[in-house]
Amino acid sequence: EPEVTQTPSHQVTQMGQEVILRCVPISNHLYFYWYRQILGQKVEFLVSFYNNEISEKSEIFDDQFSVERPDGSNFTLKIRSTKLEDSAMYFCASSGPTGSGEQFFGPGTRLTVL
Amino acid sequence: QKEVEQNSGPLSVPEGAIASLNCTYSDRGSQSFFWYRQYSGKSPELIMSIYSNGDKEDGRFTAQLNKASQYVSLLIRDSQPSDSATYLCAVEFTGGGNKLTFGTGTQLKVEL
Repeated sequence: EPEVTQTPSHQVTQMGQEVILRCVPISNHLYFYWYRQILGQKVEFLVSFYNNEISEKSEIFDDQFSVERPDGSNFTLKIRSTKLEDSAMYFCASSGPTGSGEQFFGPGTRLTVL
Repeated sequence: QKEVEQNSGPLSVPEGAIASLNCTYSDRGSQSFFWYRQYSGKSPELIMSIYSNGDKEDGRFTAQLNKASQYVSLLIRDSQPSDSATYLCAVEFTGGGNKLTFGTGTQLKVEL
């Protein structure tokens, strides 16, 4: 069964450093998303991406964040200068051709900022 | 502010019983509703989607939607210890693009 994959599973970084989180969405999906979940809190939407551009972003997704689809399979989230409060689980998700429908989540990357 | 509300629980049910999980949402015009299961330290796993008023059944799971009352529920029949997890209600609000807004989740404990 096709699934979303994410690497790395755990990333530890120092405050102020740049991190890149990687995702491979399900192959025939066209809509891609990043969500995050701070420990003990809700899953929060960060950004959606379609046709090589951002379709929507939340207030959390400020200038420190960027997304990219560098090739036909990968989808990345970059945080330019990490802060302590960026520590969270980051989930990539994808959905099928119409976009409005079921989103399937990857296993997540646990980001720890020291 | 568009909100999804869930009782955080924990909801404890004996093995074999029916577990009933509830969710309310703030936007009457919303069209798409999803239930995810999340084990501790893991990612959300899609269980059910529902788009129309009424019931939708898939195996031991039944989702129920009442748009007039802005209420969606998940019933789990013949609950098993492996069903012990946090159940997340997610709504795709009207005009919100494709983003999902999640509730805080209800922790379910199925006891032997």
